Amino acid sequence: QKEVEQDPGPLSVPEGAIVSLNCTYSNSAFQYFMWYRQYSRKGPELLMYTYSSGNKEDGRFTAQVDKSSKYISLFIRDSQPSDSATYLCAMTRDSNYQLIWGAGTKLIIKP
Amino acid sequence: GAVVSQHPSRVICKSGTSVKIECRSLDFQATTMFWYRQFPKQSLMLMATSNEGSKATYEQGVEKDKFLINHASLTLSTLTVTSAHPEDSSFYICSAFQGIYNEQFFGPGTRLTVL
Repeated sequence: QKEVEQDPGPLSVPEGAIVSLNCTYSNSAFQYFMWYRQYSRKGPELLMYTYSSGNKEDGRFTAQVDKSSKYISLFIRDSQPSDSATYLCAMTRDSNYQLIWGAGTKLIIKP
Repeated sequence: GAVVSQHPSRVICKSGTSVKIECRSLDFQATTMFWYRQFPKQSLMLMATSNEGSKATYEQGVEKDKFLINHASLTLSTLTVTSAHPEDSSFYICSAFQGIYNEQFFGPGTRLTVL
C-alpha cells in the first residue's frame, strides 16, 4: 500500500464547475500538506500549504485537511480552462522536508 | 516569490555521453536541494537530496556513480548523468528547500533525450 493515494484521473468537468481533488494517506505522522499544480512539461508550482486540520482558502482554491480521517482535499471554484493541469498532493512528517507525493490527478476543464 | 531555474531546459545527447544539469535558486539561499525524475504521466520520483557542502543522499535504487550530484554553493546544485543511455531519457526536476516556510520551490525541469 502506498503511503499517499491519489486517483490519477483524468477528471473532466465543464467550465464553471466546482472541482474536488482528494488524497488519502496512511501515516498519521504527516503534519504538513501541500497541493501542487503542474502544467505539461513544467515543474510543479505550489498552490496551497497547510499545517493543521481545517480549511484554508486562497482565492478560488480551498484546501481541506482532516487528520482524523487521513484525508485531504483541494476545491477549485469557478473552474476555468486554464486550471487544466495535473494536481499533485504532497506531505511531510514534522520537520522532515522530504515530500511524499501522490500520483497526481489530471484535471481537464472543458470550455 | 522564490524562483528556481534549471539549465538546460532540453537536451538531446548520444548514448554514452555525459550531461550536466544545473539548478539555481535565484533569490534565496538553499541549504538543501532535491533532484527528481518524472516519467510521462507519472508522479515525481525523488532521486537524491543534496546538502550544500556535503555528499548527496541517494534514494534506494538510484546509482550514485551514474547520477553525480554536486552542491557547491547555497544557490547551485548540479546533476550529471554519466554515460547516458536511452533508458535515462526522462524529465529531471530540481527543487530548493526554503527553510523558513518549510517549502520546496521547483525548477521548470529539464527534458533529457538520449539517442
